Amino acid sequence: DTGVSQDPRHKITKRGQNVTFRCDPISEHNRLYWYRQTLGQGPEFLTYFQNEAQLEKSRLLSDRFSAERPKGSFSTLEIQRTEQGDSAMYLCASSRMGEGAEAFFGQGTRLTVV
Amino acid sequence: GNSVTQMEGPVTLSEEAFLTINCTYTATGYPSLFWYVQYPGEGLQLLLKATKADDKGSNKGFEATYRKETTSFHLEKGSVQVSDSAVYFCALSVRAGNNRKLIWGLGTSLAVNP
Repeated sequence: DTGVSQDPRHKITKRGQNVTFRCDPISEHNRLYWYRQTLGQGPEFLTYFQNEAQLEKSRLLSDRFSAERPKGSFSTLEIQRTEQGDSAMYLCASSRMGEGAEAFFGQGTRLTVV
Repeated sequence: GNSVTQMEGPVTLSEEAFLTINCTYTATGYPSLFWYVQYPGEGLQLLLKATKADDKGSNKGFEATYRKETTSFHLEKGSVQVSDSAVYFCALSVRAGNNRKLIWGLGTSLAVNP
């Protein structure tokens, strides 16, 4: 297993366009997380899946953001009608169940909205 | 609520100096505590963790002890190297219902000069 992979690594889009990011977690991991990170800040929690169920969404996640995890495997994060304030690094992480389970992070997708 | 507070950076040290990065937390219940590291241009990696009071996590010469009485998890290293230059994030994992998610500090940037 090569770890958590995210695609694309970089995305430049014009304001108002829709973008979709993909995350492939480590295969035996039940939990999948999406975070957003801006320069000089820690990761901000966006949403969390346990298998295919989306169990929590941050209030940061406006109705322009939607995430799915069909069949409990890979996940997609879509941003509709992008705004310049959406420019950030979008991080995906996965973990097993259980106390103290380590979250493994992907390399992230850097989004630039121009 | 649950939160993590880290000392502000940047921290600049000479090679072989002693490092301490302070981290304190507030949490309901019994959190697990983590230090993650982000090297320039790379994703987040787990550095060490502790899952219960008085546990000491250690890795690559770094150590941190889970202190419940002071609600702290300070990161230490006896002799830093240039290759330790990175951003260090303290995080806690706490159960909320059926969910378990990471709460992050803002990160502390460390620069080690030769």
